[in-house]
Amino acid sequence: GESVGLHLPTLSVQEGDNSIINCAYSNSASDYFIWYKQESGKGPQFIIDIRSNMDKRQGQRVTVLLNKTVKHLSLQIAATQPGDSAVYFCAEIRSNDYKLSFGAGTTVTVRA
Amino acid sequence: DAGITQSPRHKVTETGTPVTLRCHQTENHRYMYWYRQDPGHGLRLIHYSYGVKDTDKGEVSDGYSVSRSKTEDFLLTLESATSSQTSVYFCAIRDQRDASGANVLTFGAGSRLTVL
Repeated sequence: GESVGLHLPTLSVQEGDNSIINCAYSNSASDYFIWYKQESGKGPQFIIDIRSNMDKRQGQRVTVLLNKTVKHLSLQIAATQPGDSAVYFCAEIRSNDYKLSFGAGTTVTVRA
Repeated sequence: DAGITQSPRHKVTETGTPVTLRCHQTENHRYMYWYRQDPGHGLRLIHYSYGVKDTDKGEVSDGYSVSRSKTEDFLLTLESATSSQTSVYFCAIRDQRDASGANVLTFGAGSRLTVL
């Protein structure tokens, strides 16, 4: 079936290092891909999105890369900080129904 | 949380009892969604609404019903709660981030339901 998933359930990163969180998807019809961050006890928060006709998009300290050839999405966080500790989800949207499909999430832990 | 309020935030109930979770939004968004979140499953869509009295099923709708009698409120009802419905429930609204961006979902803070 069609799904969105993440490669690794957990990631431990040294404070100040760059983080890379990966996601594989299988639905070629998706129009947008989105990264969400969820801190403990809170709802998911939007980080950044990328349209399917783009390869790269940058935000503040974050970069999303999309490789449609291998159906791979990644989120790069520069100079990881303790406040970046959270669960990160990738999600896809199809414009025809606007339903989001989520992966299971990657838990990022930042070591001091 | 972009004007989204979920209530109650925490509830413990017994198997077989009815439960209603409420999502209230103040920004007149047309689309509203209910998701559940469980370990290892991420977020799964239960039901969504595309207007007053207009609702549709998501991927895990069995055992749940919804109602939307006015734009600002989207109610999720468990007619007879079961232990498998122990979960964290999130309401979301559809919001356009910018002119070129996606219509992304903005989530509420969640309602933690425990069914004993």
